[in-house]
Amino acid sequence: AQKITQTQPGMFVQEKEAVTLDCTYDTSDQSYGLFWYKQPSSGEMIFLIYQGSYDEQNATEGRYSLNFQKARKSANLVISASQLGDSAMYFCAMREFNAGGTSYGKLTFGQGTILTVHP
Amino acid sequence: NAGVTQTPKFRILKIGQSMTLQCTQDMNHNYMYWYRQDPGMGLKLIYYSVGAGITDKGEVPNGYNVSRSTTEDFPLRLELAAPSQTSVYFCASSYSQGSADQPQHFGDGTRLSIL
Repeated sequence: AQKITQTQPGMFVQEKEAVTLDCTYDTSDQSYGLFWYKQPSSGEMIFLIYQGSYDEQNATEGRYSLNFQKARKSANLVISASQLGDSAMYFCAMREFNAGGTSYGKLTFGQGTILTVHP
Repeated sequence: NAGVTQTPKFRILKIGQSMTLQCTQDMNHNYMYWYRQDPGMGLKLIYYSVGAGITDKGEVPNGYNVSRSTTEDFPLRLELAAPSQTSVYFCASSYSQGSADQPQHFGDGTRLSIL
């Protein structure tokens, strides 16, 4: 079974600084996808960034980038120039496969990291 | 721009009662999902559907039922509510055509308390 581990229950960062949120994964599949979602205190889930296992370049979306190290099975989220509005829970998730090798887009989520941005 | 709409947003149930959490999407997505999120935890998949008339169990299906009669709607049914089902429930949808790497779009969640 696939597993996602986020070892940082909480992180603090000063406004305008960069922060890295850790995510490691365990899978025997060669093809997989990794996602990061943001959950503000209001509760909704907001998609941030995606990395495919065969993507040679690290994914970037504005101030978000994904530090993908395939050999280490890590997919850390880097937020540059932190803003107060970045304070939220962040989840790493992996696309999951059925026993027959199909996916149907199902995701396995980590436990999340609470990020607090200080002014 | 409705996206994924969940109703109700909040609900309190007594033990043993039943209810249906509604979910509808207007993006013509073929895949739909139900997750639950317990306090301080990540999301766990309850049920999913790959199209109208096709549903399957996720990681934590016990105590729930689903149906998918249309592309748009994917209701979640609790038959005999138990305190362990107190949680926040999220419905999500995504579109797939050969690749399953499309991000899921989530509703705003339903906060359910069983007392």
